[in-house]
Amino acid sequence: EAGVAQSPRYKIIEKRQSVAFWCNPISGHATLYWYQQILGQGPKLLIQFQNNGVVDDSQLPKDRFSAERLKGVDSTLKIQPAKLEDSAVYLCASSLGAANTGELFFGEGSRLTVL
Amino acid sequence: GENVEQHPSTLSVQEGDSAVIKCTYSDSASNYFPWYKQELGKGPQLIIDIRSNVGEKKDQRIAVTLNKTAKHFSLHITETQPEDSAVYFCAASIGGGNQFYFGTGTSLTVIP
Repeated sequence: EAGVAQSPRYKIIEKRQSVAFWCNPISGHATLYWYQQILGQGPKLLIQFQNNGVVDDSQLPKDRFSAERLKGVDSTLKIQPAKLEDSAVYLCASSLGAANTGELFFGEGSRLTVL
Repeated sequence: GENVEQHPSTLSVQEGDSAVIKCTYSDSASNYFPWYKQELGKGPQLIIDIRSNVGEKKDQRIAVTLNKTAKHFSLHITETQPEDSAVYFCAASIGGGNQFYFGTGTSLTVIP
C-alpha cells in the first residue's frame, strides 16, 4: 500500500515570496490533515479536511495560508507571503475514519526555510 | 483546548536498559492517547495507542500506561536497541473531536 506522498521535500524562499506544498493521501482515506512542525516542537494542526470539506481550520493563519482539497483526494497548502517564522516542516497526514478514532498516517514532510 | 506536556525532552540510555517517557494532559474529555515515533527526515509513525477505558497496553517491548485520575500516561520501552533512537511524541484526542494535541517530543538516544 502506497503511503502519503508529499512534495517538494525541501524548499528555500525569501520572505514575502510564495510557496505551495502538495499532498496525495493514502487511497480511500476520507480525512486529510496539514500540520506545521517547528524545530523542537510537536506537530500543530493547521487544517483538517473530511473529503473535500473543511472540518477545522481554526489555527490556520488565514491572512497568509490557504489550503484546498481537490475532489476530496489531493490537497495543496499555500503560503503567501511567507514570513521568517513560517520556517518549519509541513506534514500531511491522512486517516481512514471521519473522526479521531484511529491512526494518522504521515507523509515525510516538506521542509520550508524562509530567509 | 487540550494541553499536553511531555518529559523529558532528551533521554539517553544504555542498550538493553529501559526508557520511560511521561505525558500529562489537561482535558478530562480526552479519551484516545497515541504515541508516535519520528526518525530523522521522516514523518511520525504510530507505535502504540491506548483508549481511556484501558489502563495498560503492551506490544512486545513497548507498553503504555494510563492514569485517568491523574491525567497522565507513559511510554515504556524495555530492552532498548540502537534502532529505538528517535524522537517520540505523545498525543491526546477528544473522541469525535477534530484534533490530536501533540506533546513537544522526547529525543531518545540508545547508546550501544
